[in-house]
Amino acid sequence: QKEVEQNSGPLSVPEGAIASLNCTYSDRGSQSFFWYRQYSGKSPELIMFIYSNGDKEDGRFTAQLNKASQYVSLLIRDSQPSDSATYLCAGTYQKVTFGTGTKLQVIP
Amino acid sequence: EAGVVQSPRYKIIEKKQPVAFWCNPISGHNTLYWYLQNLGQGPELLIRYENEEAVDDSQLPKDRFSAERLKGVDSTLKIQPAELGDSAVYLCASSLGGRGRSSDTQYFGPGTRLTVL
Repeated sequence: QKEVEQNSGPLSVPEGAIASLNCTYSDRGSQSFFWYRQYSGKSPELIMFIYSNGDKEDGRFTAQLNKASQYVSLLIRDSQPSDSATYLCAGTYQKVTFGTGTKLQVIP
Repeated sequence: EAGVVQSPRYKIIEKKQPVAFWCNPISGHNTLYWYLQNLGQGPELLIRYENEEAVDDSQLPKDRFSAERLKGVDSTLKIQPAELGDSAVYLCASSLGGRGRSSDTQYFGPGTRLTVL
């Protein structure tokens, strides 16, 4: 079992809709979680990190962490075509482990 | 403030040849990471440095891969000899390091795309 799992997608949403990206992790010791966005041919760029149970909001992005269920999610409100990218979830305990990423397609 | 710098951006070599990648982290970042990323996959850690010490190199294929960070700043990753399966993007990242939660936040360089023919 991979330590951090994501559905590879693609996840297609219409412009203006809410995109919901999900991630599960196996190591209960994981403390911090990160969401990165990666455009095709580019390197990952940080969107946000979360380490407390609950929600964390930053602009159109909301990260949600549920440690009991070992579940992390990223919500993107008012999705734009420019949000089309692969979203990588990463968890850290003794080291940072990345998921394989979910490809998001926002349809104009 | 400059981000993580990597060179070269692209490299094409024939199998069995050596190749080296260079990374300069963000100023003040003590932790440096080398990742390998294949198409459609997430980054896979090769080695992590805390200052000049390699603290996690368990995924580094030591028969052909080597890395160094002599003065605790910039780093070099070498492959000798390269194999066809080494074709991938090699990413360098850095973070502040230390015990704070945000200290794990990694910032990535643009990567080096390696093609082995």
